[in-house]
Amino acid sequence: EVQLVESGGGLVQPGGSLKLSCAASGFTFSGSAMHWVRQASGKGLEWVARITEKDYNYAIVYAESVKGRFTISRDDSENRAYLQMNSLTVEDTAVYYCRAEAVPAVDNWGHGTLVTVSS
Amino acid sequence: QAVVTQETSLTVSPGGTVTLTCGSSTGAVTSGHYPYWIQQKPGQAPRTLIYDTNKGHSWTPARFSGSLLGGKVALTLSGAQPEDEADYYCLLFFGGARVFGGGTKLTVL
Repeated sequence: EVQLVESGGGLVQPGGSLKLSCAASGFTFSGSAMHWVRQASGKGLEWVARITEKDYNYAIVYAESVKGRFTISRDDSENRAYLQMNSLTVEDTAVYYCRAEAVPAVDNWGHGTLVTVSS
Repeated sequence: QAVVTQETSLTVSPGGTVTLTCGSSTGAVTSGHYPYWIQQKPGQAPRTLIYDTNKGHSWTPARFSGSLLGGKVALTLSGAQPEDEADYYCLLFFGGARVFGGGTKLTVL
């Protein structure tokens, strides 16, 4: 069974940092691109970042809203993806989902982890 | 950054047909945007239904289909079921980055 489990969310003060983790199982993690997507309460989905698989040189792209503050990474030996978030603002408050993509076989989402930025 | 637009809300009768559309502020949506459609039911994680404009996954009900329509990308639901009531998001590719539409709230009533 394909599983993606996010962790690392919590309450952080404005200007603070947090590192999210996404643990993958049930599929070939090393052959999948990994995305982070977030959703503020009652709002729509917002794409955050993507890192490709090794065959595509671990290419990374960010949304403009997080560029320079967030860093996406992965550890294929651990089957994990990460999102390091720095200089957090209240606008970063959201549920953060990881998503694995390797069409056509893999396109799965985790259940999310809540990040709350508040003083 | 491009703005991706969708209908805010639509209603369909059980057994009926409805088409959701997705446009881009940069011009016509093409297959080069590798359009995706994502479904999210209340309180649940998102789930991808359609990729590359019109390809369904093994879990995608056959009543969902994707197409290009008049400069936009479309998701057509034929034979709506009560369990199809959800928010639907399109996702477009812009040279590496992705952008979601604002989502369409579909009511089956």
